[in-house]
Amino acid sequence: KAGVTQTPRYLIKTRGQQVTLSCSPISGHRSVSWYQQTPGQGLQFLFEYFSETQRNKGNFPGRFSGRQFSNSRSEMNVSTLELGDSALYLCASSWDMRQETQYFGPGTRLLVL
Amino acid sequence: AQSVSQHNHHVILSEAASLELGCNYSYGGTVNLFWYVQYPGQHLQLLLKYFSGDPLVKGIKGFEAEFIKSKFSFNLRKPSVQWSDTAEYFCAVNSYYGGSQGNLIFGKGTKLSVKP
Repeated sequence: KAGVTQTPRYLIKTRGQQVTLSCSPISGHRSVSWYQQTPGQGLQFLFEYFSETQRNKGNFPGRFSGRQFSNSRSEMNVSTLELGDSALYLCASSWDMRQETQYFGPGTRLLVL
Repeated sequence: AQSVSQHNHHVILSEAASLELGCNYSYGGTVNLFWYVQYPGQHLQLLLKYFSGDPLVKGIKGFEAEFIKSKFSFNLRKPSVQWSDTAEYFCAVNSYYGGSQGNLIFGKGTKLSVKP
């Protein structure tokens, strides 16, 4: 069974641009969560989607948004990029709404110049 | 707000030494507890998890963790570490509220370096 895949793996953008990251969950998983990982703040929860609906949201500004499609694939968008958005963005999928065990993808490393 | 504390930022051990990594959380209700590991260049992998039942949980690669509710702790242990255990270890918690589970809250991580 294929794991969680994320594209692209690496991305370089400049301040003010926007970026879209993609995540394909493990087949059959309906819940997708996004996390931001930085050396200073560690792993921080961005949001979670289940059956195309955002169920939970972390404490991030409105520039961070996401969506989930009917096939459970999810995208995350960051608009008006800032230098501080440089991070590893991780996607995780789980079997059901209760997030009992989340399986993580390799991440997308975003560098904002 | 919930929080998860990992006491050690960086632990250095020699092979065959015993390991204990501390984890404490702040939420007083029903919780699910996890330890994840991130090997160099690899993605986060689940080591073990606790939902209910026996508070001593065994995971992969000889790791175990003990849930002590009175201490709000979920420490990770391994009797004898190997060089291949060099990695970063993350404790995570999610809790029940309103009949559904919340998002995962992660600790800041502990880097483990094992000297051959």
